[in-house]
Amino acid sequence: SQQGEEDPQALSIQEGENATMNCSYKTSINNLQWYRQNSGRGLVHLILIRSNEREKHSGRLRVTLDTSKKSSSLLITASRAADTASYFCATDAGQGAQKLVFGQGTRLTINP
Amino acid sequence: NAGVMQNPRHLVRRRGQEARLRCSPMKGHSHVYWYRQLPEEGLKFMVYLQKENIIDESGMPKERFSAEFPKEGPSILRIQQVVRGDSAAYFCASSAAGSPLETQYFGPGTRLLVL
Repeated sequence: SQQGEEDPQALSIQEGENATMNCSYKTSINNLQWYRQNSGRGLVHLILIRSNEREKHSGRLRVTLDTSKKSSSLLITASRAADTASYFCATDAGQGAQKLVFGQGTRLTINP
Repeated sequence: NAGVMQNPRHLVRRRGQEARLRCSPMKGHSHVYWYRQLPEEGLKFMVYLQKENIIDESGMPKERFSAEFPKEGPSILRIQQVVRGDSAAYFCASSAAGSPLETQYFGPGTRLLVL
């Protein structure tokens, strides 16, 4: 499997519910980032969490990082129809490399 | 403060033609990255450039693909003699510094279709 692999691949929930997406990676990292991509559009940066951080919040978003398990989760609370998008986690490639390694993404659908 | 700009947004080429994709980084950013996204997949790193230098081209195909970031003007991703397999969305990102701790901000992408 690839560095930065998301789970589940697709998630469909009702508006107002919480959505949780997970990401696993293989190598040691300096940081992990979450991005959102609306269909046919570019990527929007959501949150960057550093390897020495365990949790970070931004509005309705909550990101956790467990470096011992090499995993991260993105929680969206009180989901809205506008949250419908694909969500990607991306890690640096380690060893000082600047490139980002992306997973396949989770396609989130919020049903009204 | 304009974000990362890419043009064209859509590009159609016939097999064998050349494709030129342009990227202007965010103001104040001197580090540019190119990624390719195939349908229903995540982004794959291609190349990382600073002004007038290619720093990491480990994701670039060995043939037909080249990239530059001149002292003046946008970064250019050039694909020669395009083939159908080159059809994809190409995204450019920029950052203020080259540290792995820096956020990369993405442009809207160029969707290349090879007929």
